[in-house]
Amino acid sequence: DAKTTQPPSMDCAEGRAANLPCNHSTISGNEYVYWYRQIHSQGPQYIIHGLKNNETNEMASLIITEDRKSSTLILPHATLRDTAVYYCIVKWVRDDKIIFGKGTRLHILP
Amino acid sequence: EAQVTQNPRYLITVTGKKLTVTCSQNMNHEYMSWYRQDPGLGLRQIYYSMNVEVTDKGDVPEGYKVSRKEKRNFPLILESPSPNQTSLYFCASSPRTGGSYEQYFGPGTRLTVT
Repeated sequence: DAKTTQPPSMDCAEGRAANLPCNHSTISGNEYVYWYRQIHSQGPQYIIHGLKNNETNEMASLIITEDRKSSTLILPHATLRDTAVYYCIVKWVRDDKIIFGKGTRLHILP
Repeated sequence: EAQVTQNPRYLITVTGKKLTVTCSQNMNHEYMSWYRQDPGLGLRQIYYSMNVEVTDKGDVPEGYKVSRKEKRNFPLILESPSPNQTSLYFCASSPRTGGSYEQYFGPGTRLTVT
């Protein structure tokens, strides 16, 4: 079973920030939080990952709570092209078995 | 261009006819993996390989075989396909040293078994 819980779907207005939550209450100290997204039926695309500190790259920001039991992926200015299923995954970096879960379907509304 | 390629992209076949879906990566990644994706079930891992000649089962290995004779290639073999193997298949690769271990996915292979 997936180690994470995500809402099945969310809406966000175009141009606004999209905040996607993820609960991972059983995360252990050496496990990272990874985010991927899948646009339609394309191959999933890596977005960002983090361990404890907040992270930012050109695609998104990742906010991890201090107790590490939850995190939020932020797309700062959502566009229609950000419509996708977003997966939050918890794993140790060298884990070879990976469980994706069902993700959050994000709809960007024009 | 760094990429993972899969062939074929689309395949319709009949029950029992052996088939192979190829996967190749040009990033010198140690780790490669196969997933299947079905409506309502998300992405499920079939097999993975940590390096040449090292493979292991994922969550749904039944009915599939893999081999890793070269670092760049990781073919998925269906010896006797059945209709319940109709699915969208993705191959992925990842470095296992010195990096963030994010996976790079191929474009997918849509398989229909009649």
